[in-house]
Amino acid sequence: KAGVTQTPRYLIKTRGQQVTLSCSPISGHRSVSWYQQTPGQGLQFLFEYFSETQRNKGNFPGRFSGRQFSNSRSEMNVSTLELGDSALYLCASSLAPQNEKLFFGSGTQLSVL
Amino acid sequence: DAKTTQPTSMDCAEGRAANLPCNHSTISGNEYVYWYRQIHSQGPQYIIHGLKNNETNEMASLIITEDRKSSTLILPHATLRDTAVYYCIVLYNFNKFYFGSGTKLNVKP
Repeated sequence: KAGVTQTPRYLIKTRGQQVTLSCSPISGHRSVSWYQQTPGQGLQFLFEYFSETQRNKGNFPGRFSGRQFSNSRSEMNVSTLELGDSALYLCASSLAPQNEKLFFGSGTQLSVL
Repeated sequence: DAKTTQPTSMDCAEGRAANLPCNHSTISGNEYVYWYRQIHSQGPQYIIHGLKNNETNEMASLIITEDRKSSTLILPHATLRDTAVYYCIVLYNFNKFYFGSGTKLNVKP
């Protein structure tokens, strides 16, 4: 069974641009959550989606948004990029929101110049 | 979410047991303790979780104290591939995970 797939693996953008990251969950998993990881702040929760609905949201500005499609695939978007948005963005999937086992992808490494 | 305290780093000799402690003194009665690990450049990997009883699986054992204010993850025979950052997390009602800073485990030959 294929794992969580995130694309692209690496991305370089400049300040002010926007970016869209993609996540394909494990087949059969319907819950997708996103995390931002930086050396200074560690792993921080962004948001969680289930059945195309956002269930939880972390403490991030409105520039960070996401969505989930009917096939459970998810995208997150960051608009008006700032230097501080440089991070590893991780997607995790699980069978359902109330499931303890999160399966993570390898992440998208975003660099903002 | 209850916060956790872990040592910043630990060393372990290859083949020996690695015992990683975690303090979660503010844990509530219905909060589970989870352990994940993250090997460099990869996403975190689920290891084990428990509520109040000790748990064991093919990867590790989890020992939770009777008052549930602390726990220990045990890797029985550490290998070089176990070198990673280990996160202890407490989670209420399956809400979002708070990962904290974790413990960097260095397994040495």
